[in-house]
Amino acid sequence: GENVEQHPSTLSVQEGDSAVIKCTYSDSASNYFPWYKQELGKRPQLIIDIRSNVGEKKDQRIAVTLNKTAKHFSLHITETQPEDSAVYFCAAKDFQGGATNKLIFGTGTLLAVQP
Amino acid sequence: DVKVTQSSRYLVKRTGEKVFLECVQDMDHENMFWYRQDPGLGLRLIYFSYDVKMKEKGDIPEGYSVSREKKERFSLILESASTNQTSMYLCASSLVAGGYNEQFFGPGTRLTVL
Repeated sequence: GENVEQHPSTLSVQEGDSAVIKCTYSDSASNYFPWYKQELGKRPQLIIDIRSNVGEKKDQRIAVTLNKTAKHFSLHITETQPEDSAVYFCAAKDFQGGATNKLIFGTGTLLAVQP
Repeated sequence: DVKVTQSSRYLVKRTGEKVFLECVQDMDHENMFWYRQDPGLGLRLIYFSYDVKMKEKGDIPEGYSVSREKKERFSLILESASTNQTSMYLCASSLVAGGYNEQFFGPGTRLTVL
């Protein structure tokens, strides 16, 4: 089955700097990679996703890149703000899950943006 | 807005008790999921269901069972609670169509087993 590794586990940046979180996956058949953000005490929420037919996707200050050959994908946050502080989870769709949208999640990255 | 609710935010149970965690969604989603969240381990899938009365094991099903008698409700059952089941439990739901749909999470239930 699919396995997703996520690094780093914690990341501290100064406000205004960029932050990058990286994930690798094991199943070359995986074709959908979402990112979820979980603020302290809140539920995880989808912030951006990418399918395997594109290499990059942007939404304002966040972007995700995908390298299918190397089987890794990354989340990039530019001009970080204190409200970006949260735990970020990457995930990969388990191809064996078929149409059920089963995801395998990474272990999470705690991002702290220092004002 | 999709709304996913869970029956309790906090729950304290004794070892050996049977525990029921309830999840309800109001958007007619076919898929429903139960995860447990532990520090450093991320979100691990316990069970999921893609239709009423249908269920499949996730990555860590041991010690758990589920029930889905109605489309909107998905229950997680701990047959005999143990201390290593102390955790945050998150329910989620999503549409099936296309298989690339957002999972909407509930607020979580923090379960402590003494």
